[in-house]
Amino acid sequence: AQSVTQLDSQVPVFEEAPVELRCNYSSSVSVYLFWYVQYPNQGLQLLLKYLSGSTLVKGINGFEAEFNKSQTSFHLRKPSVHISDTAEYFCAVRGSGGSYIPTFGRGTSLIVHP
Amino acid sequence: SAVISQKPSRDICQRGTSLTIQCQVDSQVTMMFWYRQQPGQSLTLIATANQGSEATYESGFVIDKFPISRPNLTFSTLTVSNMSPEDSSIYLCSVQLLAGEDTQYFGPGTRLTVL
Repeated sequence: AQSVTQLDSQVPVFEEAPVELRCNYSSSVSVYLFWYVQYPNQGLQLLLKYLSGSTLVKGINGFEAEFNKSQTSFHLRKPSVHISDTAEYFCAVRGSGGSYIPTFGRGTSLIVHP
Repeated sequence: SAVISQKPSRDICQRGTSLTIQCQVDSQVTMMFWYRQQPGQSLTLIATANQGSEATYESGFVIDKFPISRPNLTFSTLTVSNMSPEDSSIYLCSVQLLAGEDTQYFGPGTRLTVL
């Protein structure tokens, strides 16, 4: 079984500042890792994913995440945020084989202030 | 990827009534899922919708409360039966194009309020 912990329920930041949203996971097997974004009143949209290979993954809208196996983390970063990045961000993990259903974290609300 | 639409996008319902939510995908997909997202919480998987057979429900969810249909590879419905205010949530349809594929795609969700 897998579990996901998003350490921050809410992250306020000023526009053009850098941001990091933290995600830690636990699993007894190899994993795939995902970040999804949910804008107000919309469904979830895939930001980026780690399957294998390079531990630094780049996604849409200037976001990137780094897989750290030793620390079982997959933190999401953006060097300069915009007002339009205000949204809910979900980290998810699933086993790379066997069960294909991901487990989601509780979400982090990113609030970008002007 | 897949384009997923849901109807209705939102509804306000009275206690004791039922609501059927539709999910339509623009291409044939292998796997379809229904999730619930309660206010301020993460996504909880309700069930996997199986074409031509009964859905596979997760612990805590039962067919009498959440009957699901999947008549073909592009369409599914979720009914929320005998609703109570505790059923107020966002209900999300999700798909995988192929079984075991690494990515799930999500519909826009149905925002349900039960009075």
